[in-house]
Amino acid sequence: DTEVTQTPKHLVMGMTNKKSLKCEQHMGHRAMYWYKQKAKKPPELMFVYSYEKLSINESVPSRFSPECPNSSLLNLHLHALQPEDSALYLCASSLSKDNTGELFFGEGSRLTVL
Amino acid sequence: QQQVKQSPQSLIVQKGGISIINCAYENTAFDYFPWYQQFPGKGPALLIAIRPDVSEKKEGRFTISFNKSAKQFSLHIMDSQPGDSATYFCAASGNSGGGADGLTFGKGTHLIIQP
Repeated sequence: DTEVTQTPKHLVMGMTNKKSLKCEQHMGHRAMYWYKQKAKKPPELMFVYSYEKLSINESVPSRFSPECPNSSLLNLHLHALQPEDSALYLCASSLSKDNTGELFFGEGSRLTVL
Repeated sequence: QQQVKQSPQSLIVQKGGISIINCAYENTAFDYFPWYQQFPGKGPALLIAIRPDVSEKKEGRFTISFNKSAKQFSLHIMDSQPGDSATYFCAASGNSGGGADGLTFGKGTHLIIQP
């Protein structure tokens, strides 16, 4: 199994809503990532988890709250988002934070904030 | 400050031709250089990657050329096919594989292969 599975694939939410994006991998990877991608732009790193601990937070606003319940799951909790937060949110994983290997991306969750 | 510069921004190639995308980096601590392919509505997928200890790596129709002294690397797609039409991102990492800080991406090249 070489997949990173993200749900939901599409999400529309109002600025006062609370929602969550979910990510799952069963490759035994111990590093998991959230990226944000705007149209026609490269992915931008948001968070890195290493062995279920937050390793890197790239100055992301607090309305985005990551959570790593276990080594296979990664969540991104969303609250009081702004329309400019509309984007494709990509989850990725790698063997470890310091390991040689590729980054596996999921297909993303396309978020629209009204 | 963009650490990986990618060109061209868009590229149109005839079917059967060679597609060439170039990248340049500044950080000499980078030691892993992957190329990602992304189709519309999909996440990026690793295409091919190279380390600084080799100057060229070939996988099927895809070749990476690497020039350490010039801090440049490029992707060549031989016998380009319409199915190769996608956005291509070069990337670099200072931690052998995209771990640690994740990957630093170039801005992407939108490639169209005309039948």
